[in-house]
Amino acid sequence: RKEVEQDPGPFNVPEGATVAFNCTYSNSASQSFFWYRQDCRKEPKLLMSVYSSGNEDGRFTAQLNRASQYISLLIRDSKLSDSATYLCVVILSGAGSYQLTFGKGTKLSVIP
Amino acid sequence: GAGVSQSPSNKVTEKGKDVELRCDPISGHTALYWYRQSLGQGLEFLIYFQGNSAPDKSGLPSDRFSAERTGGSVSTLTIQRTQQEDSAVYLCASSLGVSGTLYEQYFGPGTRLTVT
Repeated sequence: RKEVEQDPGPFNVPEGATVAFNCTYSNSASQSFFWYRQDCRKEPKLLMSVYSSGNEDGRFTAQLNRASQYISLLIRDSKLSDSATYLCVVILSGAGSYQLTFGKGTKLSVIP
Repeated sequence: GAGVSQSPSNKVTEKGKDVELRCDPISGHTALYWYRQSLGQGLEFLIYFQGNSAPDKSGLPSDRFSAERTGGSVSTLTIQRTQQEDSAVYLCASSLGVSGTLYEQYFGPGTRLTVT
């Protein structure tokens, strides 16, 4: 099993739709989780951290499911400007060790 | 405030030459990361600096790659004897620290390296 896996997509959704992506991770001791978005030929930009209790920022909701070892990102009322690749990041750190892994991303296209 | 800056933005070099890529992190950020991203691919972690600790070099693909961070701020990634497979966008990021949300990374615009 790969350390961090994402469905590459593309997810093609109409404006106004709700769409959700998952990101699975293999190491149950992973501690910190984030979602980034990356526009074509641009650098990744932090979208939101993922808290254990779940968190919401406007139209975006992130959740963590430790039992099943995945994080999710829900986008409500999709806008054309949401079209991008969404990357998850999983971090594991401990005494003398550190492991940071980006998923390969899920591509979203929001269609008029 | 100023974000992460990288220079040069583009670099074309001949196979076998050495290149140096520079990263200026956000002021006050103690952690600095280097990644590379080949066209259409995900981010590949290269190296990580935290404060004055020895860097985590576990992601460096070969001994032709090295990086240093002087004074806990600016970092330079050096690639010796470049090969065509080194062609990629090299991204630098920094974060306030290394726990919880302090891991939130902010990326520079990248250096696009082309080895001919």
